[in-house]
Amino acid sequence: QQPVQSPQAVILREGEDAVINCSSSKALYSVHWYRQKHGEAPVFLMILLKGGEQKGHEKISASFNEKKQQSSLYLTASQLSYSGTYFCGTEVQGNTPLVFGKGTRLSVIA
Amino acid sequence: DAGITQSPRHKVTETGTPVTLRCHQTENHRYMYWYRQDPGHGLRLIHYSYGVKDTDKGEVSDGYSVSRSKTEDFLLTLESATSSQTSVYFCAIRGLGEAFFGQGTRLTVV
Repeated sequence: QQPVQSPQAVILREGEDAVINCSSSKALYSVHWYRQKHGEAPVFLMILLKGGEQKGHEKISASFNEKKQQSSLYLTASQLSYSGTYFCGTEVQGNTPLVFGKGTRLSVIA
Repeated sequence: DAGITQSPRHKVTETGTPVTLRCHQTENHRYMYWYRQDPGHGLRLIHYSYGVKDTDKGEVSDGYSVSRSKTEDFLLTLESATSSQTSVYFCAIRGLGEAFFGQGTRLTVV
């Protein structure tokens, strides 16, 4: 069962912030975040394990609320290079296949 | 970059013909996956493998079969291609953490 991502799409101006959400109806072991640019393969951003851990990568960070089975990806001071489609992938047990959401298309304009 | 190669990168085939896509890795990772990507659906799992000759079905496995006779190779076969199988196919590999994706195969069934 695919996790639900919101919003489906967002347009930002350079320097603005954005939040992308991912929620699941199942108890999760981990949440993965990937970014895919047009015509390219998805690229790993970060993993969050259950426990409410928050991680960061450049100006992109994420959190995982284990009780709500929700994860949020935070993009601060967005740059043109942040444009792409962001996917969350969820895992109910360690080393089980990732199930991905439908993606959030992020467009950053000058 | 993780060593993962998909072939072919592009293919056009006729309805009813069998097609085999190849995924080759040089990372010696245990887990390998086949996903398809379609607009509005994100990445959906077709089949996956836990090791040599150890495979299982994903959520959209109908019409597909897989084989893994060596750690480094994971083959996806469309037994009799249909237009609904026109898609971009991604192979992914995974060790203990994040997944790495191949560059994708764009398959068109006419």
